[in-house]
Amino acid sequence: GQNIDQPTEMTATEGAIVQINCTYQTSGFNGLFWYQQHAGEAPTFLSYNVLDGLEEKGRFSSFLSRSKGYSYLLLKELQMKDSASYLCAVRDPTGANNLFFGTGTRLTVIP
Amino acid sequence: DAGVTQSPTHLIKTRGQQVTLRCSPKSGHDTVSWYQQALGQGPQFIFQYYEEEERQRGNFPDRFSGHQFPNYSSELNVNALLLGDSALYLCASSLGFGGRIGYNEQFFGPGTRLTVL
Repeated sequence: GQNIDQPTEMTATEGAIVQINCTYQTSGFNGLFWYQQHAGEAPTFLSYNVLDGLEEKGRFSSFLSRSKGYSYLLLKELQMKDSASYLCAVRDPTGANNLFFGTGTRLTVIP
Repeated sequence: DAGVTQSPTHLIKTRGQQVTLRCSPKSGHDTVSWYQQALGQGPQFIFQYYEEEERQRGNFPDRFSGHQFPNYSSELNVNALLLGDSALYLCASSLGFGGRIGYNEQFFGPGTRLTVL
C-alpha cells in the first residue's frame, strides 16, 4: 500500500513564505503531485516531480528527494487567496496514472 | 473547451438505497478515474476506466461499480448505501491509461456531494 503523511493544518501571514512537507512510503515510485483545493471546489494541479530537485513555477515551488521519501511545496509572497487545502499525491506505482492522496494540509493565510 | 463535468451537484439518499453519479471527461480525454473524498480527508481512489473497462481499482467493496461509455463518459454506481458513504465524489479525466514515461495530468470535476441519511 501507499502511505502519505502531511501536516493537517498550517497558518501563515500574508506576504510571508510557507513550506508544506510531505513524506511518503510506497511500493514503487512514479512521480509526486501537489494539488490545491479550495473549500467546496475541485482539486487543481500545481506541480509534478519525478526526479530529485526543485521545480519552480512562479510563486510556487516543489522539491523532491526520492531517497528520503520526502517532498515539500513552497509558497512565496502569500496572498489571502492561497488559503486552501494542499494535497500531496503519488502516482500509482504500477505506472497507471491514478493517484494516491495524503489527507491534505489546510493552510490559512492571515493578514 | 469544457472541462470535466459531473451530475448531479448534490444528492441526498437514505441507507440501503442505490445511487448513480455521472461524469463527462474533458474534451479529448479518454480515461476516467473516480475518487471519494470524506470531509477533512484527501481523495481516495475508487477505480479507473479506460476503453470501457475497469483498469485499476482501489480498496473499495463491490458495492461500488462503474461503467464507461463509448463517448468516454462514465457512471459510478453505489448499492446498499451506508452512512459512511456520505462524501464528495470526484471524477478526474486524463489522456491515456498510463504506463509511459512522464505523466498524464488528471483534471478534476467539481464533484457530487452525496449525503446518506
